[in-house]
Amino acid sequence: AQSVTQLGSHVSVSEGALVLLRCNYSSSVPPYLFWYVQYPNQGLQLLLKYTSAATLVKGINGFEAEFKKSETSFHLTKPSAHMSDAAEYFCAVKSGFNKFYFGSGTKLNVKP
Amino acid sequence: EPEVTQTPSHQVTQMGQEVILRCVPISNHLYFYWYRQILGQKVEFLVSFYNNEISEKSEIFDDQFSVERPDGSNFTLKIRSTKLEDSAMYFCASSEERVADTQYFGPGTRLTVL
Repeated sequence: AQSVTQLGSHVSVSEGALVLLRCNYSSSVPPYLFWYVQYPNQGLQLLLKYTSAATLVKGINGFEAEFKKSETSFHLTKPSAHMSDAAEYFCAVKSGFNKFYFGSGTKLNVKP
Repeated sequence: EPEVTQTPSHQVTQMGQEVILRCVPISNHLYFYWYRQILGQKVEFLVSFYNNEISEKSEIFDDQFSVERPDGSNFTLKIRSTKLEDSAMYFCASSEERVADTQYFGPGTRLTVL
């Protein structure tokens, strides 16, 4: 069965610093992987997705993620954090016909 | 820009009562989903729906839950006899295609069971 593990429920960075949010997955087949962002009192918004094309995936708001099969990882990065990046981030993997498993989420705090 | 809408934004109910949560997916989308998020926990998949049938469901989606697309626009989640542990935020999502397509999420309905 597929699953997703996000290391670090809270990450705090300074404005302008590198953002690194970690996601590891388990999957018996080549996975489809996603990163979503959730702002307070809102639904989830897709940041980016991996669909077995390029291993480095670029998303919205300057985020990108690299699929590493050998490490079963799909970490999310952004070179320079903005205050507006403060939110909760979820990694997800697609399973079966149309079922999705989400990680437990990482809350990103950006300090001025 | 088209968006998924959900009503009500907050529903309070007594344990044992039936609730219906409503969603209006994006109009040209074909795949519909319900998720729930218990406070402070991860987002959990409940069910996916396509062509007027359930295509996938999770272990959470037991006989107390049902989904329906009663007309061309609404997509509903019914909980027949609510329990305290059903208290959560429920999100509806829709996508145009199935394979790794972008799911668009609604703002959620917060269900509180007393």
